[in-house]
Amino acid sequence: DAGVIQSPRHEVTEMGQEVTLRCKPISGHDYLFWYRQTMMRGLELLIYFNNNVPIDDSGMPEDRFSAKMPNASFSTLKIQPSEPRDSAVYFCASSVGGQRYEQYFGPGTRLTVT
Amino acid sequence: GENVEQHPSTLSVQEGDSAVIKCTYSDSASNYFPWYKQELGKRPQLIIDIRSNVGEKKDQRIAVTLNKTAKHFSLHITETQPEDSAVYFCAASKGGGADGLTFGKGTHLIIQP
Repeated sequence: DAGVIQSPRHEVTEMGQEVTLRCKPISGHDYLFWYRQTMMRGLELLIYFNNNVPIDDSGMPEDRFSAKMPNASFSTLKIQPSEPRDSAVYFCASSVGGQRYEQYFGPGTRLTVT
Repeated sequence: GENVEQHPSTLSVQEGDSAVIKCTYSDSASNYFPWYKQELGKRPQLIIDIRSNVGEKKDQRIAVTLNKTAKHFSLHITETQPEDSAVYFCAASKGGGADGLTFGKGTHLIIQP
C-alpha cells in the first residue's frame, strides 16, 4: 500500500489567500484525521471523519477553517482567508477503526503564510 | 477535555544506556496510549502502543508501561543507539482507533556517542 498521501508537500501563500490541502487515506481505512503541528502548540487534532462523516470538529481553530470528505478516498482542509499564524505542518492520518487502533500519518504539508 | 503531560522535554543519554520518558493523562476514560517517533522533517511514526487492559508491552528494545490508577505511562528504550535520536511523542485517546489523539509536547532524545 502507498500509505497516506498528502498534497501539496509545501505551500507558500500570501495572507488573505485561500489554501486547500489534500489527503488520500489508506484504502480500507474508515477513519481520517487532520492534525496540525507547530512549535508553540505541538501536535493538535483539528477534525476527524468516520465513513466520510465529520465526527468531531471541536479542534478547528475558527470559521476560516473547513474540512470535507466527499468520498472514502479523498479529503480536503481549506483555509480562507489564510493568516501568518496558520503557518504550520498539517498532517492527515487514517485508521481502520474497530479493534485496529493504529493511526498512520501522511508526510504532511508544510504551509507558510507570508 | 483530555490533557497529556510529557517529561522531560529533552533527554541526553550515552549510547548503550537506557532512556525513560514519562507521560501523565487526565481523563480516566482514555483507553489507548500510543508512542510516536518523529525525525526532523518527517512524519510521526508509531513505534509502540498499549491499551488500558494491559500493564506492559515490549517490542525488542522498546517497552511501554501503564499505571491506570496513577494515570501515567512510560516509554523505556534499552541499549540506545544513534538512530534512536529523535523527538518522541506520547498520546492518549478514549475511543481506541475511533477517536482523535491528544499528544504530549514531545521529548527530544539525544544519544551521545
